[in-house]
Amino acid sequence: EADIYQTPRYLVIGTGKKITLECSQTMGHDKMYWYQQDPGMELHLIHYSYGVNSTEKGDLSSESTVSRIRTEHFPLTLESARPSHTSQYLCASSIGQTTSGNTIYFGEGSWLTVV
Amino acid sequence: GIQVEQSPPDLILQEGANSTLRCNFSDSVNNLQWFHQNPWGQLINLFYIPSGTKQNGRLSATTVATERYSLLYISSSQTTDSGVYFCAVGETSGSRLTFGEGTQLTVNP
Repeated sequence: EADIYQTPRYLVIGTGKKITLECSQTMGHDKMYWYQQDPGMELHLIHYSYGVNSTEKGDLSSESTVSRIRTEHFPLTLESARPSHTSQYLCASSIGQTTSGNTIYFGEGSWLTVV
Repeated sequence: GIQVEQSPPDLILQEGANSTLRCNFSDSVNNLQWFHQNPWGQLINLFYIPSGTKQNGRLSATTVATERYSLLYISSSQTTDSGVYFCAVGETSGSRLTFGEGTQLTVNP
């Protein structure tokens, strides 16, 4: 079972508020990711990190930002939330290239609603 | 970037039936994974299978890398198998994954 945790699980906030979605993993994985998923739709990579102090934007443009100060922690921040940010945000991590492959583990997701 | 197509988009089965889900991809891959997303949104890794065949209980998967497709087999389906099945691929073993649009599976009792 994967040890990757996201908080909050569910959040309803007003437009213009600043929010941070937390993601932590206890597996010592170097690689971490944030995906955005609208209900019933595919996942889109919005940010990833291959290690401490390394962050990159993903395939889908996002107004959010991320930081990676510690290996186990990869928070995502929205400075000013808008209704268009309403979605599920999934954090994931992987160990990288190993004999068992680059298996990726997901957190339970954070459902964000901006009203 | 690489394109991933899954079929069928929706599948409804009676409990006990077998099914095959397909994933086609547009370029060579060194990383292919199948995931199950339950009704609460949790994504569970089913298989890491860039090539060959693997089995885990009632589930098995086959990837034919040279022909750029992968199949997920579900035998003797159960209502708990319901959810969305995603195929995700990466062009190198350590790269980030590109997801398909998923197959929505409903298993009725």
